[in-house]
Amino acid sequence: QITLKESGPTLVKHTQTLTLTCTFSAFSLYTSGEAVGWIRQPPGKALEWLGLIYWNDEKRYSPSLKSRLTITRDTSKNQVVLTMTNMDPVDTATYYCAHSRSRYHDFDYWGQGTLVTVSS
Amino acid sequence: QSVLTQTPSVSGAPGQRVTISCTGSSSNIGAGYDVHWYQHLPGAAPKLLIYGNNNRPSGVPDRFSGSKSGTSASLAITGLQAEDEADYYCQSYDSSLSGSVVFGGGTKLTVL
Repeated sequence: QITLKESGPTLVKHTQTLTLTCTFSAFSLYTSGEAVGWIRQPPGKALEWLGLIYWNDEKRYSPSLKSRLTITRDTSKNQVVLTMTNMDPVDTATYYCAHSRSRYHDFDYWGQGTLVTVSS
Repeated sequence: QSVLTQTPSVSGAPGQRVTISCTGSSSNIGAGYDVHWYQHLPGAAPKLLIYGNNNRPSGVPDRFSGSKSGTSASLAITGLQAEDEADYYCQSYDSSLSGSVVFGGGTKLTVL
């Protein structure tokens, strides 16, 4: 059974950099077709896709946030790291990581999510 | 504003059938990319309900079904139950934005 779990700070200050780690199990990011994505949901708002990292280390980012995002992987630890710079209170949201199948570009397994609050 | 458009809310009585629509464009749904649907209950992680337009993951009741035509897709729920009350999101892929995943704005389903 695939599992994912997000970890990182629950509170960051305006202009700081957010670093979140997604630790996963039961699949390998070296295996063709596998990917991990990041999605967030501000309070009361819709899901918003942030980015994806594929088994071949290819990355895709939301065009509106591309300049602020970096996604990397540490396959030895089964972890994916999301870095978002210049945080603003509007970035307050629950951040999810999820397993993705590149064949479909869907998200079939999700982490529980972590609420990140940005203080002004 | 979301790339995929969903009606903000729908409602139905227990036992009834409801449909939730998702409208895209020629660069996403109309380009042939698959549509997926998620159920999001308060305080929980989103759950994949339908993938590849009309496929149910193991464990999802057959009361849930998906369809796609042209630049739109729909999620149908039959035999509405109280526990179906949730937010529902469609999701696809868009080729016009350097290859991006796109979500709909979500539809709140209320079971009366």
